[in-house]
Parts: sequence; structure tokens; C-alpha cells
Amino acid sequence: GAVVSQHPSWVICKSGTSVKIECRSLDFQATTMFWYRQFPKQSLMLMATSNEGSKATYEQGVEKDKFLINHASLTLSTLTVTSAHPEDSSFYICSACQSSLGETQYFGPGTRLLVL
Amino acid sequence: AQSVSQHNHHVILSEAASLELGCNYSYGGTVNLFWYVQYPGQHLQLLLKYFSGDPLVKGIKGFEAEFIKSKFSFNLRKPSVQWSDTAEYFCAVSPPRGYNKLIFGAGTRLAVHP
Repeated sequence: GAVVSQHPSWVICKSGTSVKIECRSLDFQATTMFWYRQFPKQSLMLMATSNEGSKATYEQGVEKDKFLINHASLTLSTLTVTSAHPEDSSFYICSACQSSLGETQYFGPGTRLLVL
Repeated sequence: AQSVSQHNHHVILSEAASLELGCNYSYGGTVNLFWYVQYPGQHLQLLLKYFSGDPLVKGIKGFEAEFIKSKFSFNLRKPSVQWSDTAEYFCAVSPPRGYNKLIFGAGTRLAVHP
């Protein structure tokens, strides 16, 4: 149980294009989903918290117009990297939990983005 | 600044050796504590967690961790490691009033030699 998937697993795009990454909870309803970014050989940095049906809460320093998050249903959240640039190349990981109150997060396998 | 610190970035052990990975945090108040593992090429998996109660927490695959409130620590231990424990280990803290968000330590890369 508690499986989270991400699609695509990797993507290469040209600078200036937008890329959408999907995060799905496959066997549970996720009230809250989180988006992280992981640079090579570094830890996960929380980008934003996404609650179903409401606007995402972004961490300090994360541009909300650059990284658009939509959590339209209890099993799906999307992260769109708009007008991607090479510095946006990274490993993006989502997680999901069933409750906003002290629940375990279950992580997706991540999406590797390379912007040329 | 409030943070999560993992003291060891790289650890190399032989099979059957004992393991202890340090984790300290700087948040006051009530926190939830986690250890996650990331095996090569795989996604993060939960090893164990502490919310309340017995400060000695047992997790999967023979791992345990001890919460010492006075030291703001949550160290991970395993009495005898195996080659299959080779992975990266992340300590994470859900801070007070953090609405379940996690702050991760930098990670410790463990290599176990047969």
C-alpha cells in the first residue's frame, strides 16, 4: 500500500519551454502533497505544500509563477516548470500523505529534468 | 537558522559492523522525526518514525533510533550491517506547526563492504 507514482520519470526539454510533472497517489487519497527538489549529491529541499482544492504554499525563495502547482483531486498533483532554463535542471520528487495532521509522507520515484 | 544536521556524510563499514548515524535538529517544541533510506536507483522509503511515546523506535530491516529530547537528537542504529544496507540515509524533521512538511538533513551515504 501507499504507492506514489510520478510521470514522466525523466524529461529533456529546450530552454524556454514548459514541462508538466504529474504525481499520483495510487492506492490512497492524499489530502496533502509535497514537491521537493534534489540537486546532485545533496538533500531534498521542500519547494511547496499542496492541499487539494486550495492554493499551494511555497517555501521562501521558490517562485510560484515559475513552479505552478495544481492539486485538483485527492490523487493527483501537478508541477509545471514554466519557461524552463538550464538552472532548473534537477531531480523533482513528490510525496503524499493522507492527512495534514502528523502523517507519514510516501515518496514518488522522482522526475529527472534536463533543460538544454 | 533552524535546521537538521547529519554529522557523517560518508560512512564505510564492513559487513557485521555496527552502525550509528547521527542526527540533530534545532527546532524547539514538539517535533515528529523520521529516517528515510534511498537505495541506489530507488525512491525514498520510510525506515522508522517517532511521533510520541517510547523514545526507542524500531523500524524495518533491523534498524532502530533513539529520540533524546535533551540533546535534540534522533540517532539511527543497527547492530550488524549487511551489504544490502548500502544506501543513502536521510534524517527528517516535521517542525512544530509545520503542517506535516519535512525538513531533511543532508544525508549520509553508507557503503558496506562484504
